[in-house]
Amino acid sequence: DIQLTQSPSTLPASLGERVTISCRASQSINNRLNWYQQKPDGTVKRLIYSTSTLESGVPSRFSGSGSGTDYSLSISSLESEDFAMYYCLQYATYPWTFGGGTKLELK
Amino acid sequence: QVQLKESGPGLVQPSQTLSLTCTVSGFSLSSYGVIWVRQPPGKGLEWMGVIWGNGNTNYNSALKSRLSISRDTSKSQVYLKMNSLQTEDTAPYYCARALDYWGQGLMVTVSS
Repeated sequence: DIQLTQSPSTLPASLGERVTISCRASQSINNRLNWYQQKPDGTVKRLIYSTSTLESGVPSRFSGSGSGTDYSLSISSLESEDFAMYYCLQYATYPWTFGGGTKLELK
Repeated sequence: QVQLKESGPGLVQPSQTLSLTCTVSGFSLSSYGVIWVRQPPGKGLEWMGVIWGNGNTNYNSALKSRLSISRDTSKSQVYLKMNSLQTEDTAPYYCARALDYWGQGLMVTVSS
């Protein structure tokens, strides 16, 4: 199985700050990686698909990049609604696997 | 618009079988895959399996011996059945259109 290692697991940050979350795969996943946001009420939303394509309706402050085994999600200027859990998902190979998650919290 | 909603029992006894239904609207199950995901307490998301538009399935190898995913396209419903439940199977269970839209999740507790 492909392992996805997300870092950091917790990310304290301030409003307006730029942050980056990393997702490293145990083998190449050929850009088959999505990013999801989970709010405290459990609601899950896709933010980025195929490494770098922004989901319709998602603010442009979110961006994704990467290749091979290393991927990242960046938020350019944090707003209050961005404080949530973030997960990467690889769908290059079965079983699909999620990263362990990053909790973005208010500093 | 695309919607998915999970339904089923909130409480299941140990060793019993879990049966969940995912009712979808706004798209055809013949054209899109549906996945099941769960989130054990205090842990991250776990992909359980997928059923594709052609009816093919793939499962998490750790759950494969206990898990079955099926569908009824005429009812726009996808089904999850998992047997031999244990307390560690307690989690919210989500269905999602493969890779994009998610349901709200359904909490399942395994307890006697």
